[in-house]
Amino acid sequence: QQPVQSPQAVILREGEDAVINCSSSKALYSVHWYRQKHGEAPVFLMILLKGGEQKGHDKISASFNEKKQQSSLYLTASQLSYSGTYFCGTRSGSNDYKLSFGAGTTVTVRA
Amino acid sequence: NAGVTQTPKFQVLKTGQSMTLQCAQDMNHNSMYWYRQDPGMGLRLIYYSASEGTTDKGEVPNGYNVSRLNKREFSLRLESAAPSQTSVYFCASSEDQGGSTDTQYFGPGTRLTVL
Repeated sequence: QQPVQSPQAVILREGEDAVINCSSSKALYSVHWYRQKHGEAPVFLMILLKGGEQKGHDKISASFNEKKQQSSLYLTASQLSYSGTYFCGTRSGSNDYKLSFGAGTTVTVRA
Repeated sequence: NAGVTQTPKFQVLKTGQSMTLQCAQDMNHNSMYWYRQDPGMGLRLIYYSASEGTTDKGEVPNGYNVSRLNKREFSLRLESAAPSQTSVYFCASSEDQGGSTDTQYFGPGTRLTVL
């Protein structure tokens, strides 16, 4: 079952912050975040494992709340290069080969 | 390293025609995947191959077949194309067999239109 992402779209000005949420009705083992620029392939950003860890990649960070079965991606002090569609992919077990992807959140950063 | 490559990049088919999408990776990865991407639907798994010689169905396998030709190559075949198969198709590969830190690397995609 696909995870649910919110919001569907967000428009930011450079320097503003945003939060993208990814929720699942199933227990999660790991959450994977990808970014896709228009007309390009998805590019891996980070993986979070159950245990409530938080990770960062430049000014993009993420958290994983195992109890809520939810992950959040934080875009801090957004840059024009952050524009794109962000997808979360989830795995329910350590031996689960398959990633279930959310529908995506389109982020537009304007000057 | 080229990473994951896909051919063709674009294809237009008529309903009922068949074709094979090719995918190859040069990262010595064990697992390979085929996804389709439709507007507002995200990425949906069609088939995957956990290792050379094995294939399994994903979420949306109907109308497709796959072949894991060797460790490098994983092809997707449409036997009788239908307009509902108009989509962007992505191939991906990953090193481990679904391990906890497994990262999937995507190819550039094939844009398929079925008239």
